[in-house]
Amino acid sequence: DTAVSQTPKYLVTQMGNDKSIKCEQNLGHDTMYWYKQDSKKFLKIMFSYNNKELIINETVPNRFSPKSPDKAHLNLHINSLELGDSAVYFCASSPQKGRNIQYFGAGTRLSVL
Amino acid sequence: GENVEQHPSTLSVQEGDSAVIKCTYSDSASNYFPWYKQELGKRPQLIIDIRSNVGEKKDQRIAVTLNKTAKHFSLHITETQPEDSAVYFCAASMRAGTALIFGKGTTLSVSS
Repeated sequence: DTAVSQTPKYLVTQMGNDKSIKCEQNLGHDTMYWYKQDSKKFLKIMFSYNNKELIINETVPNRFSPKSPDKAHLNLHINSLELGDSAVYFCASSPQKGRNIQYFGAGTRLSVL
Repeated sequence: GENVEQHPSTLSVQEGDSAVIKCTYSDSASNYFPWYKQELGKRPQLIIDIRSNVGEKKDQRIAVTLNKTAKHFSLHITETQPEDSAVYFCAASMRAGTALIFGKGTTLSVSS
């Protein structure tokens, strides 16, 4: 019944590795997002997708590549992981009309060693 | 682009007191202003929101006010309880389906 689900919840990996985080929403929303929350708790938008198309990419390194196979899924692939990538990554979704309420997934805590 | 400033960064109150958190935004095109509460290790959850055609909105112990002219909006929590302790984020956005620009958060501690 979870509206926005992301996996895995925890990810511990070595520098230089490649990893992916998956996100799925069952709310029928057209727009999905990836936000990054750093160690100071700052929440910042990374990507926004509308109906499988990239809308915004906020100064995120090329090592981050989002992929949306359909409008219910938005995955995040990260190449050549760096120490500074350690953070909590939240997926979210929102409707296209009315109030811009965003529903967040439970987050993926990424630790790069 | 939009920039959202939030103050204070930390706020400590006694149980039963009121708490006020203030935010300012820079882009006059923003028209939706939500507040999210994030408990330790959990996801941000919407607690109240306001659209730019409304000046004030209340839901039980929480209220939000918006001054479009000054580009200010505030969260008011009355009769605070220990379970109100969390990080609170304000945000701004334009139409539905656009990204939220968040303030840097306020850590609220309510002591009994």
